[in-house]
Amino acid sequence: DIQLTQSPSFLSASVGDRVTITCRASQGISSFLAWYQQKPGKAPKLLIYAASSLQSGVPSRFSGSGSGTEFTLTISSLQPEDFATYYCQQLKSYLITFGGGTKVESK
Amino acid sequence: EVQLLESGGGLVQPGGSLRLSCAASGFTFSTYALSWVRQAPGKGLEWVSAISGSGTYTYYADSVRGRFTISRDNSKNTLYLQMSSPRAEDTAIYYCAKDGDHGDYGWDFDLWGRGTLVTVSS
Repeated sequence: DIQLTQSPSFLSASVGDRVTITCRASQGISSFLAWYQQKPGKAPKLLIYAASSLQSGVPSRFSGSGSGTEFTLTISSLQPEDFATYYCQQLKSYLITFGGGTKVESK
Repeated sequence: EVQLLESGGGLVQPGGSLRLSCAASGFTFSTYALSWVRQAPGKGLEWVSAISGSGTYTYYADSVRGRFTISRDNSKNTLYLQMSSPRAEDTAIYYCAKDGDHGDYGWDFDLWGRGTLVTVSS
């Protein structure tokens, strides 16, 4: 199975901060990576697909980059509604795997 | 409205059985692969199973292969997950999720249901 390692696991930040989350794959996955946001009690929401493509309706302050084994999700200016947990997911293999998650908390 | 709505969760005894359903609306159901993704209390996301649009092909995580069966009825726009011999570690919220159609072999998920809670306990 392809393992995904997210870092950090927890992140304290303030409104307006630039936030970067990293996802590393145990083997190359080209650009077959997605990012999700999940708020407490809610289903995950797709933010980024194909490593860097913004899902329709998602604010442009979210961006993704990377290919191969290293990927990043960046929030250019953190907003109050962005405090949540973020997950990466690989779709290179049909054995889908998710990263362990990054919880973004208010500093 | 485009949506997925899960049902069928509840308390089940270890070794028992339970069938989850996911009713879809607002899109051409048979066109898309669908998956079940679960989340144990306080934990991360775990993909469980997927099925192709036609229902011909099915895929399972190692943790459930041989115990769970995914199926779909395209005439009813409904996805199912038959859970047999569940274990305590299967306790989780189970989400159904629609393929975003961005992969060659795997799937990402652009539409999710609200989830249904399954608790495996005696």
